[in-house]
Amino acid sequence: DAGITQSPRYKITETGRQVTLMCHQTWSHSYMFWYRQDLGHGLRLIYYSAAADITDKGEVPDGYVVSRSKTENFPLTLESATRSQTSVYFCASSRTGSSRANVLTFGAGSRLTVL
Amino acid sequence: DQQVKQNSPSLSVQEGRISILNCDYTNSMFDYFLWYKKYPAEGPTFLISISSIKDKNEDGRFTVFLNKSAKHLSLHIVPSQPGDSAVYFCAASGNNDMRFGAGTRLTVKP
Repeated sequence: DAGITQSPRYKITETGRQVTLMCHQTWSHSYMFWYRQDLGHGLRLIYYSAAADITDKGEVPDGYVVSRSKTENFPLTLESATRSQTSVYFCASSRTGSSRANVLTFGAGSRLTVL
Repeated sequence: DQQVKQNSPSLSVQEGRISILNCDYTNSMFDYFLWYKKYPAEGPTFLISISSIKDKNEDGRFTVFLNKSAKHLSLHIVPSQPGDSAVYFCAASGNNDMRFGAGTRLTVKP
């Protein structure tokens, strides 16, 4: 199906474990983003990518690693999960990274709980 | 520092009435503003946007107003419908940066 899909939708893990959240888009959008949503903070940018093999930090990158070997995939890895990383994670994509017309298309989200 | 603020966490209105959601920003480099709507267990979806060269943009029941001097924008929904019940995020972009507000939960009562 066309669109942007995230997996898993729900994940419970323990402190110190490695977790990878997957994101796949079928539009061939150049730009992809990872956000986290927390109560009182809205959506905060973790990392973004302008193209395959090009990634850059966002507002809250500490504790996260990303890669983008293919245009359609943008996985987010928590190398050693902490309780403060309990959140809902949204992947998004856009055709252009131009701030003027940067309408994002979001996935359905991945709810991560770190015990 | 929160560069985009939505000071009302929640808003409740009666069906058929007007809903007004507010958003303030601090960074004068922002020149494009967007509203996203989010239903539970779904990702945000784009609703409406406005460029800083305009002060109003209308799309059906949704109108966004921008007051650059006050660094304030608002989303008007007229008339409000129960299906409009959702969380609304304001976003501001410019200078290769985009920031979101914390969201306002709108409840439209039948």
